[in-house]
Amino acid sequence: QKEVEQDPGPLSVPEGAIVSLNCTYSNSAFQYFMWYRQYSRKGPELLMYTYSSGNKEDGRFTAQVDKSSKYISLFIRDSQPSDSATYLCAMNRDDKIIFGKGTRLHILP
Amino acid sequence: EAGVTQFPSHSVIEKGQTVTLRCDPISGHDNLYWYRRVMGKEIKFLLHFVKESKQDESGMPNNRFLAERTGGTYSTLKVQPAELEDSGVYFCASREGISNEKLFFGSGTQLSVL
Repeated sequence: QKEVEQDPGPLSVPEGAIVSLNCTYSNSAFQYFMWYRQYSRKGPELLMYTYSSGNKEDGRFTAQVDKSSKYISLFIRDSQPSDSATYLCAMNRDDKIIFGKGTRLHILP
Repeated sequence: EAGVTQFPSHSVIEKGQTVTLRCDPISGHDNLYWYRRVMGKEIKFLLHFVKESKQDESGMPNNRFLAERTGGTYSTLKVQPAELEDSGVYFCASREGISNEKLFFGSGTQLSVL
């Protein structure tokens, strides 16, 4: 079983829609939970970061962690074409980051 | 402030040849990481430097891969001899201090071994 599971998509939604991206994980030792955004031919860029269960909001983005279910989510409100990218969930273990495969997201104008 | 820079952005070599990738971290960042993404797979950890010392090299695939960080500044990752399965995107990342700080990634080197 992979430590982090993420549906690779692609996921296409119309502009303005709410986007929900999800990951599950198997290792209870993970301490920090992150979402990275990666544009084509660029490196991953940290979007959101949290270490506890619950919600964390930053503008149009909300990260949600449920440690009891080993499930994390990223919600994007009022999605824009510029949000089109690959979104990677990631978790921290022993000072190294374990990534999901990433979900390719397309926001249709 | 300059970000993490990687050189070259693309490299195409033949099986059996040697390739050296370079990473210049953000100035002052003691922690430097190498990651790799092969096609269809997750981005995976290769190794971690703290200054010039290898803190963790548990992700290095085999002894054909050699990473160095002389003087604790830039780092190189050499693959010798390259094999077909080494193809992928090699990312370098850096951060200043403790593990929950933001990790900055470079744009990666796309390596194709033919």
